[in-house]
Amino acid sequence: EDKVVQSPLSLVVHEGDTVTLNCSYEVTNFRSLLWYKQEKKAPTFLFMLTSSGIEKKSGRLSSILDKKELFSILNITATQTGDSAVYLCAVQIYGSSNTGKLIFGQGTTLQVKP
Amino acid sequence: EAEVAQSPRYKITEKSQAVAFWCDPISGHATLYWYRQILGQGPELLVQFQDESVVDDSQLPKDRFSAERLKGVDSTLKIQPAELGDSAMYLCASSLGRLAYSETQYFGPGTRLLVL
Repeated sequence: EDKVVQSPLSLVVHEGDTVTLNCSYEVTNFRSLLWYKQEKKAPTFLFMLTSSGIEKKSGRLSSILDKKELFSILNITATQTGDSAVYLCAVQIYGSSNTGKLIFGQGTTLQVKP
Repeated sequence: EAEVAQSPRYKITEKSQAVAFWCDPISGHATLYWYRQILGQGPELLVQFQDESVVDDSQLPKDRFSAERLKGVDSTLKIQPAELGDSAMYLCASSLGRLAYSETQYFGPGTRLLVL
């Protein structure tokens, strides 16, 4: 059974801290790994990773994929209260009819205190 | 910026009643997805359309759930009859193409359903 596991499930830090969120997966027919940020609404896209070892960066957020060890990390440096959200990891697999299907992890809830 | 539209945003219903949710994907997006997200969990795919055709409904409880995308644009998800366990956020997402390459899915604001 395809599975995506995130850790930790929740995290509380103070502004300015650096955090690392983890995502491990066991799937057949891996296509890509995506990170989303979800506040009290729909998930918003952060990164898509398809190749091992190539870091993707956007401001204070960065992510990298290890396809050999089957995991990804999401780093957030100099955290701000606006970073408080649920961070979702999803693995896209080849589904039926040659289409992509997302398998989500359970999410990591990050709370950044002032 | 183009967005996925969903309505209603909130729905409260009694068990055994029928409910329907609507989704309008980003213009030009061929693929449309319906997800269910139970509180504290990640979204789970219910059904995927490519244009007007269903390409994956393996996780859709077909005894009570139905989905359609008649003209390959907007879509409706229906539950009849609703059960207490259906209380969740129902998310619609869309992506641009039809081919087997990695694509980003863009999510709508969701419909939060509460079944009493």
